Amino acid sequence: DSGVTQTPKHLITATGQRVTLRCSPRSGDLSVYWYQQSLDQGLQFLIHYYNGEERAKGNILERFSAQQFPDLHSELNLSSLELGDSALYFCASSVVPSGVQETQYFGPGTRLLVL
Amino acid sequence: DQQVKQNSPSLSVQEGRISILNCDYTNSMFDYFLWYKKYPAEGPTFLISISSIKDKNEDGRFTVFLNKSAKHLSLHIVPSQPGDSAVYFCAASEVSGNTPLVFGKGTRLSVIA
Repeated sequence: DSGVTQTPKHLITATGQRVTLRCSPRSGDLSVYWYQQSLDQGLQFLIHYYNGEERAKGNILERFSAQQFPDLHSELNLSSLELGDSALYFCASSVVPSGVQETQYFGPGTRLLVL
Repeated sequence: DQQVKQNSPSLSVQEGRISILNCDYTNSMFDYFLWYKKYPAEGPTFLISISSIKDKNEDGRFTVFLNKSAKHLSLHIVPSQPGDSAVYFCAASEVSGNTPLVFGKGTRLSVIA
């Protein structure tokens, strides 16, 4: 158990809908990262928050957005869902922002299926 | 453009033998490398890391070797155990550039009893 929690574990929805994925980092961790893993793909970095502020963006679609709240939990919002958005979405946390040699600890992921 | 490549999608090894997982990278600015292990229905778990100032780091049965001139790293597992069967991801970052981790696509290791 990494100490990172993600809810829900599974999510089935229809095209065009909007969903929210939630992540609670390890106690004391200020950084939250979101990744997407599609079939046969590695983990693709989406976005990074540190202590409530956006620090870096990866290949995140405009239909996707995220935020980190004062209690440090984070939410990833996916809207106007398409079939291709079906994937595993992982959240990871670390103590420090990127820029130092740090280890990210991953949650169990949310499996999203868009029908 | 894949900056981190794991060219072997899968690997089978007999229990007790050595498992060698390979990873190549193209970005010469990467200076920190990690290996993660992932079981089905779980998130990736950190295994071992290495800084570019080193060429080897060891932790129990796991050793990571870094060859900067070849832009290549490898993970050695000795001896391999059935519980090591998982997908292994190589990841790299440019610490000084404040960039996020870049992951390879993973190698599925099967340790056969």
